Amino acid sequence: EVRLVESGGGLVQPGGSLRLSCAASGFTFSSYWMNWVRQAPGKGLEWVANIKPDGSEIYYVDSVKGRFTISRDNAKNSLFLQMNSLRPEDTAVYYCARPGASWGQGTLVTVSS
Amino acid sequence: EIVLTQSPGTLSLSPGERATLSCRASQSVNGNYLAWFQQKPGQAPRLLIYGASSRATGIPDRFSGSGSGTDFTLTISRLEPEDFAVYYCQQYGSSPQTFGQGTKVEIK
Repeated sequence: EVRLVESGGGLVQPGGSLRLSCAASGFTFSSYWMNWVRQAPGKGLEWVANIKPDGSEIYYVDSVKGRFTISRDNAKNSLFLQMNSLRPEDTAVYYCARPGASWGQGTLVTVSS
Repeated sequence: EIVLTQSPGTLSLSPGERATLSCRASQSVNGNYLAWFQQKPGQAPRLLIYGASSRATGIPDRFSGSGSGTDFTLTISRLEPEDFAVYYCQQYGSSPQTFGQGTKVEIK
């Protein structure tokens, strides 16, 4: 069974940083593209970034380019999202997701002074 | 970027009725890598369908997905009370991956 558990969310001031983590289990993590997806309060789903199994290809939604960095550690079955220069509009629940499979429960990031 | 347009925005039906949700892509979805999710208030999205027509583990057979290329459909054959929720489609065949804006299925 695919299991994804996110952590690292919290309250941060505008301009601050957070690092999200996702622990994966139940599948061969090193074989799959992985995503970060977010959902702002009361809004729809927004894909944020993804990374190829070997980390050699990475893509971002335009609104986070230059501020967010996705990475992975296949030896530890872990996915990360380093978020810098955070803005109030980044406030959302962030989900770790394997495309075409189940997601984690998400971690809430709140950017507010 | 592939834009996904879901219709209708809201579907008002009674339990036992059939629900048909549409997801149209602005260009062909690579490999028919199209997923459907159900989301209830306060919960994470739940995967229903992947690869346009394959049901995820544990999903009842009243849920079915169909379509290819640019036109996809999620059908709920007979609505149960627990099926009233918001449904999203997602294409994961090319980056940036994208989502539709959602269809709310509400009790009539």
